[in-house]
Amino acid sequence: ELKVEQNPLFLSMQEGKNYTIYCNYSTTSDRLYWYRQDPGKSLESLFVLLSNGAVKQEGRLMASLDTKARLSTLHITAAVHDLSATYFCAVAVISSGSARQLTFGSGTQLTVLP
Amino acid sequence: NAGVTQTPKFQVLKTGQSMTLQCAQDMNHNSMYWYRQDPGMGLRLIYYSASEGTTDKGEVPNGYNVSRLNKREFSLRLESAAPSQTSVYFCASRERYYGNTIYFGEGSWLTVV
Repeated sequence: ELKVEQNPLFLSMQEGKNYTIYCNYSTTSDRLYWYRQDPGKSLESLFVLLSNGAVKQEGRLMASLDTKARLSTLHITAAVHDLSATYFCAVAVISSGSARQLTFGSGTQLTVLP
Repeated sequence: NAGVTQTPKFQVLKTGQSMTLQCAQDMNHNSMYWYRQDPGMGLRLIYYSASEGTTDKGEVPNGYNVSRLNKREFSLRLESAAPSQTSVYFCASRERYYGNTIYFGEGSWLTVV
């Protein structure tokens, strides 16, 4: 059974600081997703990481994937209040008919304080 | 472009009642999914459909049935609702080919009393 563990689960940061969210998973996968969710809203896709060593950046967020270590990181640079949200990683495994099942981590609730 | 559309957005059911959550996507995607999200948790897969005419169980299928009516629509049915099925339900879809993003609907808030 695939397990996906995120840490920390809760993160309070001051504006302007840097921090990293970690996502560990228990089985081989070649695809990892990062999503953002605001309270009461749907999930917004941030990154899709497709291969070992993949790195993607968008604004103050940068995601990376190490498939050998089964680890992905989401790095936040110079946090701003607008980044306050819950961040989920999700790992994809191939299932029947080529549909990919996503298994989600529990989420990291990020609060950026002024 | 509507993306993934779910209805209803909010629903209150009594224990034992049945209902169907509807989902439609207009992106010509092959794969569709139903997830549930409970407070403080990530999403858990209920059922998925790799293509029109196929469905498979996910992590938490008990108490649910699904129908892939056509390529656009994937419905989730609760035959006899239980309080444990109080949750937020998300439908999602994905194109088959390598690397494509999975798109989520806005969610359906279901309360079973």
